[in-house]
Amino acid sequence: QKEVEQNSGPLSVPEGAIASLNCTYSDRVSQSFFWYRQYSGKSPELIMSIYSNGDKEDGRFTAQLNKASQYVSLLIRDSQPSDSATYLCAVSRNYGQNFVFGPGTRLSVLP
Amino acid sequence: SQTIHQWPATLVQPVGSPLSLECTVEGTSNPNLYWYRQAAGRGLQLLFYSIGIDQISSEVPQNLSASRPQDRQFILSSKKLLLSDSGFYLCASEASRGSTDTQYFGPGTRLTVL
Repeated sequence: QKEVEQNSGPLSVPEGAIASLNCTYSDRVSQSFFWYRQYSGKSPELIMSIYSNGDKEDGRFTAQLNKASQYVSLLIRDSQPSDSATYLCAVSRNYGQNFVFGPGTRLSVLP
Repeated sequence: SQTIHQWPATLVQPVGSPLSLECTVEGTSNPNLYWYRQAAGRGLQLLFYSIGIDQISSEVPQNLSASRPQDRQFILSSKKLLLSDSGFYLCASEASRGSTDTQYFGPGTRLTVL
């Protein structure tokens, strides 16, 4: 079983719609959860981090965490073509060398 | 906030040639440093991590090596490149913020082995 799983996509949504990206993880000891955005040919950039169960909102982005279900998601409201990228989920136990990335989900926002 | 530099940005090398990629970090001290490789259309593969000067851990046995001669300098090397070494090499720095650690990436080096 892979440690962090994501649907590879592509996930296609129309401009203005809500994009929902999902991630599951296997390590129950995980404490920190991150979403990165990676444009083609560029390095990943951090979008959001979440550490507690529930929702965390930052602008058009909302991260949702459910530790009991080992599930973390990212919602992008009012999706824009500029949101088209690969979104990487990452999970950490904290305190060093246990940062695990998922394979990423490719999002395409259609004008 | 920290800034991560990588060079070169792109590199084309023949099979069997040596390799040296450099990563330097500004704006933080004693960070955990990481080397990842991302093959075309693939996820991030952790190659090496370092918790301090001359302290290197290897995640995947291969023909690559890493060194950390200074606190904020991390070098990835190879004596003889293979075709399979082609990919996008990313250096990441993990700076502790209280009880939570977050990794930030440099701009990357795109390596093509011919």
